[in-house]
Amino acid sequence: QVQLQESGPGLVKPSQTLSLTCTVSGGSINSGGYYWSWIRQHPGKGLEWIAYISFSGSTYYNPSLKSRATISLDTSKNHFSLQLNSVTAADTAVYFCAKDRGGLDALDIWGPGTMVTVSS
Amino acid sequence: DIVLTQSPGTLSLSPGEGATLSCRASQSVSSSYFAWYQQKPGQAPRLLIYGTSTRATGIPDRFRGSGSGTDFTLTISRLEPEDFAVYYCQQYGNSPPYTFGQGTKLEIK
Repeated sequence: QVQLQESGPGLVKPSQTLSLTCTVSGGSINSGGYYWSWIRQHPGKGLEWIAYISFSGSTYYNPSLKSRATISLDTSKNHFSLQLNSVTAADTAVYFCAKDRGGLDALDIWGPGTMVTVSS
Repeated sequence: DIVLTQSPGTLSLSPGEGATLSCRASQSVSSSYFAWYQQKPGQAPRLLIYGTSTRATGIPDRFRGSGSGTDFTLTISRLEPEDFAVYYCQQYGNSPPYTFGQGTKLEIK
C-alpha cells in the first residue's frame, strides 16, 4: 500500500521560497501511470489544488498561483517536491501531497499534511 | 474555470438519521470525473466516492453518490458518530484539473 509523507520547514519568511518534499513509500513513483499532486488548505478553509506532476514528468499548475509554483519529480529518491516562491502570509496553510487513482483520476492516497507558516 | 457550490454549508443531524449533501457545478461535468471526500479535524481528506457513484476501497455502503450534468448528491443513510465531518465535492478532468467545493460541515445535532 502506497503511503505519502510531506516534509519541509514549518516556518518561511516572507518573499522567500517555500520548499516541500513528499516521500513515497510502498510503491515506485514512476510506475502505475499515477499523477502526483500538491493541495493546500488555509486555516479553517477549504481545499485548493496547486499542481500535479505525472509519472512521466508532465506538469500542470493552478493558474491562481501565477507561476510561483514549481513541481518536480526525483525518481532516484522516490519523491516529488514543490517550490513556491515569493511567499506571503497568504501562503500560510497546511500542505498535502496526494496520489491519484491513475490517469488523472480522483485522489485516493493523501499524506497527513504539513503546516507551513509564512512570517518574519 | 468550473466552480463547485456545495449546500448546505452546515447540516445538523442526529446519529441514525439520513443526510443529503448537494454540489452544483457552474457548467456540466462528466459523471466519470466527480468525487466526494470526507475530512475530519486534523486529518487529510479521505476519498469516499469517485466517478460520481463508485465507493472507494473500504467505504461502507451507507455512502451513496449520484448525479449528472451540474447537480451531484452525496447521500449518507443511518448516520454513524464517525460520519460527522466536513465533506468536499471535487471535479477532475477539466481545466484546471482539480477543483473542490467549499465544503459542507455535517455536525451532530
